[in-house]
Amino acid sequence: SQKIEQNSEALNIQEGKTATLTCNYTNYSPAYLQWYRQDPGRGPVFLLLIRENEKEKRKERLKVTFDTTLKQSLFHITASQPADSATYLCALGEWTGANNLFFGTGTRLTVIP
Amino acid sequence: DGGITQSPKYLFRKEGQNVTLSCEQNLNHDAMYWYRQDPGQGLRLIYYSQIVNDFQKGDIAEGYSVSREKKESFPLTVTSAQKNPTAFYLCASSMQDGFNYGYTFGSGTRLTVV
Repeated sequence: SQKIEQNSEALNIQEGKTATLTCNYTNYSPAYLQWYRQDPGRGPVFLLLIRENEKEKRKERLKVTFDTTLKQSLFHITASQPADSATYLCALGEWTGANNLFFGTGTRLTVIP
Repeated sequence: DGGITQSPKYLFRKEGQNVTLSCEQNLNHDAMYWYRQDPGQGLRLIYYSQIVNDFQKGDIAEGYSVSREKKESFPLTVTSAQKNPTAFYLCASSMQDGFNYGYTFGSGTRLTVV
């Protein structure tokens, strides 16, 4: 069956450290992968997009990697701040399937001051 | 200020009743989507539309209906045929496909059956 698994349900780290979130997928052939941030009771906010032929993307303190051999994406937040506390969702899209984005269940990150 | 607006924020439905959730965007996006979010599950696609007057079923379309009469609007009707409608509903839009663009989401409608 198809699965998108995000490492732990919750991750706690100290302020200033690097948070690393994992997204593993099974039985998908992704053309691209996206990461979103979601705050409680709100809609997700788009952060980064990485395509299958790209190894790494960066945006300010954010970095995402995509390894199609390992079937995994890693999402890093460097110099984490309490304001980074939220749930982070990964989502992937395939070459077939038009505009369907398949979402993982998310990882709830808490940055402790 | 461009964005995507969902209303109402909270909605209560009686058994056997149809309800309609509103979604409006002023981003000039071609594609619009409806997702359902349940605790402990990823977002699941209900319906999507890439152009006016055309829409496609997603993974969990049963018990739902949509229309796309205007580019800006993509309302979702939750019918009485949907047996477990209590959930958080999210509308999104994008320029075209996700290969090039991220999605913009609304702030959601929380539907509860009473």
